[in-house]
Amino acid sequence: GAVVSQHPSWVICKSGTSVKIECRSLDFQATTMFWYRQFPKQSLMLMATSNEGSKATYEQGVEKDKFLINHASLTLSTLTVTSAHPEDSSFYICSGRQGPDTQYFGPGTRLTVL
Amino acid sequence: AQTVTQSQPEMSVQEAETVTLSCTYDTSESDYYLFWYKQPPSRQMILVIRQEAYKQQNATENRFSVNFQKAAKSFSLKISDSQLGDAAMYFCAYGVNRDDKIIFGKGTRLHILP
Repeated sequence: GAVVSQHPSWVICKSGTSVKIECRSLDFQATTMFWYRQFPKQSLMLMATSNEGSKATYEQGVEKDKFLINHASLTLSTLTVTSAHPEDSSFYICSGRQGPDTQYFGPGTRLTVL
Repeated sequence: AQTVTQSQPEMSVQEAETVTLSCTYDTSESDYYLFWYKQPPSRQMILVIRQEAYKQQNATENRFSVNFQKAAKSFSLKISDSQLGDAAMYFCAYGVNRDDKIIFGKGTRLHILP
């Protein structure tokens, strides 16, 4: 299957700082990428849909000014958590869509905000 | 609204035995896709199997097969000859071709007993 990478895999930051997470499709071009958030022992919650070259579409309740998404190329999307606070601590997962329907997921990034 | 329901939060199966995970969904669409994703302790989401709704034949991938009952809106996953490496969280998911999103169920945690 298609491979998606994320970097970093784990990041710890101080409250009030910003953190950038990268998502790359390694062996396919992903015109659409997705960002999810997963709390412990829960399912994936879609945060936003990112289309290459255009603005991301955010799900209801997700602050677009806090979670900045950029999809500058067909293989790279970034999520920046601005002015992070402890409640933003979570596991963030991205995926890239190959073909009409199937999403391939990155390994996730664990964010801990102190 | 589309929903995906997994009614079994946890299941256990003896190694080498067969287990079936249940999933039901609700939709008014006629053309859609269904997926089973596996999330092991590493938290990497892995696509196990996918099914196109217009196909009557049940999808199969090695030891994994589905029982797709379109009229009943049921999509169960059967794992044959269970192995220790099958221990994971399994998510049933639904997607519509005209929409980017995949909707996930809450997951079933599968334990494999040696």
